[in-house]
Amino acid sequence: AQTVTQSQPEMSVQEAETVTLSCTYDTSENNYYLFWYKQPPSRQMILVIRQEAYKQQNATENRFSVNFQKAAKSFSLKISDSQLGDTAMYFCAFGGGSEKLVFGKGMKLTVNP
Amino acid sequence: DTGVSQDPRHKITKRGQNVTFRCDPISEHNRLYWYRQTLGQGPEFLTYFQNEAQLEKSRLLSDRFSAERPKGSFSTLEIQRTEQGDSAMYLCASSPRTGNGETQYFGPGTRLLVL
Repeated sequence: AQTVTQSQPEMSVQEAETVTLSCTYDTSENNYYLFWYKQPPSRQMILVIRQEAYKQQNATENRFSVNFQKAAKSFSLKISDSQLGDTAMYFCAFGGGSEKLVFGKGMKLTVNP
Repeated sequence: DTGVSQDPRHKITKRGQNVTFRCDPISEHNRLYWYRQTLGQGPEFLTYFQNEAQLEKSRLLSDRFSAERPKGSFSTLEIQRTEQGDSAMYLCASSPRTGNGETQYFGPGTRLLVL
């Protein structure tokens, strides 16, 4: 079974700084997808970024980028130029041969002014 | 595109009562998923549908839980004889196509409190 581990339960960063959220996973599958989702306080979960395991190039979306290390089974999220609106719970998720997503426990990020 | 909607947003019930939640996926999304999220945890998969067919159920989905998607559009999740341990956020998600790795779009959730 797949597992997703987010070892940092909580982080804080100053506005405009860069922060990196870590995620590791365990799987025996070769073809899979990895996701970072954001869940702002009392709001619904939205996709931040998505990475296909077969792609060597790291995914980027504006201020968000990932460092995907397939051999190490590591998938970290870098947020550049942090904004107050980035304050949220961040969940790393694995999508493999089964249709379900397997989520980590999440990490609470607070961006301070 | 109005997004995934869920109703009700909040539900308080007494132990032993039955509750039903509704999810309306994004139009033309043929996959629909239910997850449960407890405090301090990530969402856990419960079940999913492709059109009207329920294709997978988690072991978390006890006999007291039943889900339907009768016409391949909206879905309902019913919990019978609720227990305090059922208190959680119930999330619905949909995705547009078959195939692995499709992005799942989440609704706002239904927060259930069982007293």
